[in-house]
Amino acid sequence: QKEVEQNSGPLSVPEGAIASLNCTYSDRGSQSFFWYRQYSGKSPELIMFIYSNGDKEDGRFTAQLNKASQYVSLLIRDSQPSDSATYLCAVRGNAGKSTFGDGTTLTVKP
Amino acid sequence: KAGVTQTPRYLIKTRGQQVTLSCSPISGHRSVSWYQQTPGQGLQFLFEYFSETQRNKGNFPGRFSGRQFSNSRSEMNVSTLELGDSALYLCASSTRTGGFDEQFFGPGTRLTVL
Repeated sequence: QKEVEQNSGPLSVPEGAIASLNCTYSDRGSQSFFWYRQYSGKSPELIMFIYSNGDKEDGRFTAQLNKASQYVSLLIRDSQPSDSATYLCAVRGNAGKSTFGDGTTLTVKP
Repeated sequence: KAGVTQTPRYLIKTRGQQVTLSCSPISGHRSVSWYQQTPGQGLQFLFEYFSETQRNKGNFPGRFSGRQFSNSRSEMNVSTLELGDSALYLCASSTRTGGFDEQFFGPGTRLTVL
């Protein structure tokens, strides 16, 4: 079992729809959770982070964390074609090491 | 505030050679982590440096090494290059080490080993 698993894409949604990206992790000691967006040929860009159970909203993005279920998700509302990218889930323990999932490729169709 | 910078951006080497990559973190950031990204393995953690000390290490052979200088700039060295070392090498900086700081990535160095 991988330490961090993301739903295997690719995921395709129409413009204006909600895109839902999911991530599960195996280390119960994980403390912080990050979502990165990576466009083809570019480096990952941090878009959301969450430390506590519940929801965290930032503009069109909402991160959800459930530590009991070891589950973190990212919702993108009103998806735009510019949101088309690979989304990486990263989980960080108290030692500071980050473990990344393989990523989910999202395509938003106009 | 300037972002993380990495040099060089592109590098072509042949098997058996060695290579040194450089990373300058965001001003004020003292932690630098290095990652290797390949299509088959995804983003894999190499090591983290904080205050010139290696704090964490991933599962890579000893051919991969690094160091950090007093100004927080970091270098990564790969000796005796193999074809499988072809990858995008990314560094990320954060304010502190530990679990709660956001990491910001540099643009990466694309290494091709022929």
